[in-house]
Amino acid sequence: GAGVSQSPRYKVAKRGQDVALRCDPISGHVSLFWYQQALGQGPEFLTYFQNEAQLDKSGLPSDRFFAERPEGSVSTLKIQRTQQEDSAVYLCASSVNPSRAGTEAFFGQGTRLTVV
Amino acid sequence: QKEVEQNSGPLSVPEGAIASLNCTYSDRGSQSFFWYRQYSGKSPELIMFIYSNGDKEDGRFTAQLNKASQYVSLLIRDSQPSDSATYLCAVAGNTPLVFGKGTRLSVIA
Repeated sequence: GAGVSQSPRYKVAKRGQDVALRCDPISGHVSLFWYQQALGQGPEFLTYFQNEAQLDKSGLPSDRFFAERPEGSVSTLKIQRTQQEDSAVYLCASSVNPSRAGTEAFFGQGTRLTVV
Repeated sequence: QKEVEQNSGPLSVPEGAIASLNCTYSDRGSQSFFWYRQYSGKSPELIMFIYSNGDKEDGRFTAQLNKASQYVSLLIRDSQPSDSATYLCAVAGNTPLVFGKGTRLSVIA
């Protein structure tokens, strides 16, 4: 596709509900990143994939967060038993560069998650 | 903890002036430096990247990097109201992109 596509754009979840957020990166991009952005803050790193391999998940805030990219293209970020503090915009970015340094990473429009 | 520090602003400049945005970082191993622009409610958009000490110019934008001082800046010449946004500094090295909290720029017509 022309850019990084994320869905849904908006998600309202009841506390305790599981959610799945999808990211479709730019075709051919090797690196894929997930970030969490709270209101008024910069994006915070969650996890990084090089093709299908999850090489860094140090930013995942708890074991309720899980990400996968089984075929090295589309990625899903799953949050189990959502809590109010999970409310944020979840951003996906991709880069043609295989380095985790994120050379010229391009962001999708994000999914705004609101937990009520 | 690898940190990227930015003044949150708002930084207000008149239309046509030069806007100067600054960023410091803590990790001396950082290799790549990026400036992203983020309009309210939108995702970050890459506007500049720089890898070597010195200046890099692209149109009205100039990125400056000083690795010895662990300092990177962005100059916007002939500022326009459409430049009003939050500017995010991001740094990468052996770790993925670490972002600052951003500086909010307001260009007054």
